[in-house]
Amino acid sequence: RKEVEQDPGPFNVPEGATVAFNCTYSNSASQSFFWYRQDCRKEPKLLMSVYSSGNEDGRFTAQLNRASQYISLLIRDSKLSDSATYLCVVNKEGNNDMRFGAGTRLTVKP
Amino acid sequence: EAQVTQNPRYLITVTGKKLTVTCSQNMNHEYMSWYRQDPGLGLRQIYYSMNVEVTDKGDVPEGYKVSRKEKRNFPLILESPSPNQTSLYFCASTRLAGVGEQYFGPGTRLTVT
Repeated sequence: RKEVEQDPGPFNVPEGATVAFNCTYSNSASQSFFWYRQDCRKEPKLLMSVYSSGNEDGRFTAQLNRASQYISLLIRDSKLSDSATYLCVVNKEGNNDMRFGAGTRLTVKP
Repeated sequence: EAQVTQNPRYLITVTGKKLTVTCSQNMNHEYMSWYRQDPGLGLRQIYYSMNVEVTDKGDVPEGYKVSRKEKRNFPLILESPSPNQTSLYFCASTRLAGVGEQYFGPGTRLTVT
């Protein structure tokens, strides 16, 4: 089993749709969780951190479920510019052990 | 502007010809790392450095070397490149290991023939 697994995708959705991605992780001791966004052939960039209480940033909402060991990302009112690959990242606080999921590709169509 | 730079951005080389990919950050970050990204596998860590003169292996270190003589620079060295090292490479830095956002360089696309 991979340490971090993501929905395989690709997700193809119309503009304005709501889309959700899930990511599961295997290390129950993991402390820090992130979603990164990666545009085609570009470097990953932090989209948002994921906090225990869940957090929202505009149209984006991230949730953490420690009991089931997964995190989620919800995108509301999808825009064409949301088209990208979304990477789930999990690490263990205090050390270098950062693990990336393989990514979920999203395409938002007009 | 806070950034991580890598050079070269694109490189085509032949098997066995030593090469170095440079990485530099201007944010005074202590922690730097190298990743390779391959289709379906995501980013895998090659080497990391907690601080000057402190380096350690990541998940896929075979065939690579690194050095950290200065805080800002963290070059990746391929002593004898092979075709299975054809990949997209990213350098990244963060203020402290395991804490907060990682800042990535623009990537180096390497092809070894």
